[in-house]
Amino acid sequence: TQLLEQSPQFLSIQEGENLTVYCNSSSVFSSLQWYRQEPGEGPVLLVTVVTGGEVKKLKRLTFQFGDARKDSSLHITAAQPGDTGLYLCAGSRTGTASKLTFGTGTRLQVTL
Amino acid sequence: NAGVTQTPKFQVLKTGQSMTLQCAQDMNHNSMYWYRQDPGMGLRLIYYSASEGTTDKGEVPNGYNVSRLNKREFSLRLESAAPSQTSVYFCASSEWTGHEAFFGQGTRLTVV
Repeated sequence: TQLLEQSPQFLSIQEGENLTVYCNSSSVFSSLQWYRQEPGEGPVLLVTVVTGGEVKKLKRLTFQFGDARKDSSLHITAAQPGDTGLYLCAGSRTGTASKLTFGTGTRLQVTL
Repeated sequence: NAGVTQTPKFQVLKTGQSMTLQCAQDMNHNSMYWYRQDPGMGLRLIYYSASEGTTDKGEVPNGYNVSRLNKREFSLRLESAAPSQTSVYFCASSEWTGHEAFFGQGTRLTVV
């Protein structure tokens, strides 16, 4: 059983559409990160959220951390082909040696 | 500008063979990780090293061993490879556990 479940697993949309990806858990996290991974590469960090209810914007991407710090969402406005990739959330739980646990991933394809 | 370097990039093994995946980082990070990535499973933590001189099991440690050789290097050993270990392996490092993780480019391993 994965600690962090992402939905949807796959998403294929056309350029200009909006979309939201969800990352859910029954556990509380001290921080949550979103990464994007392109084929043949390792994941690259997009953002870290640490406070319940926090909203961060990165150009057309909006990230929100749930009030209870158990879930997060990533919203993309007016998607572009360059947004294509695998989106991964990752959480760190409170405690010593709090290792980073990754979600199941959402594969996004944006077509012209 | 090397960051995290993994070798080899590709490897084919026969069932029962052994091999070691090498990883080195030049960012003076304290924590290092080995993940495996399988379709639909996101990234699963195999082992991690919170700091030089320590190693701990992750979610899927069976069939693997690790060595934190020094602060820079963290190797992953498969003693007797099995087809279930066919996967893409990523090494990552971070300043401390739970912080932003920087990834290598991955090793695509096939066990036949």
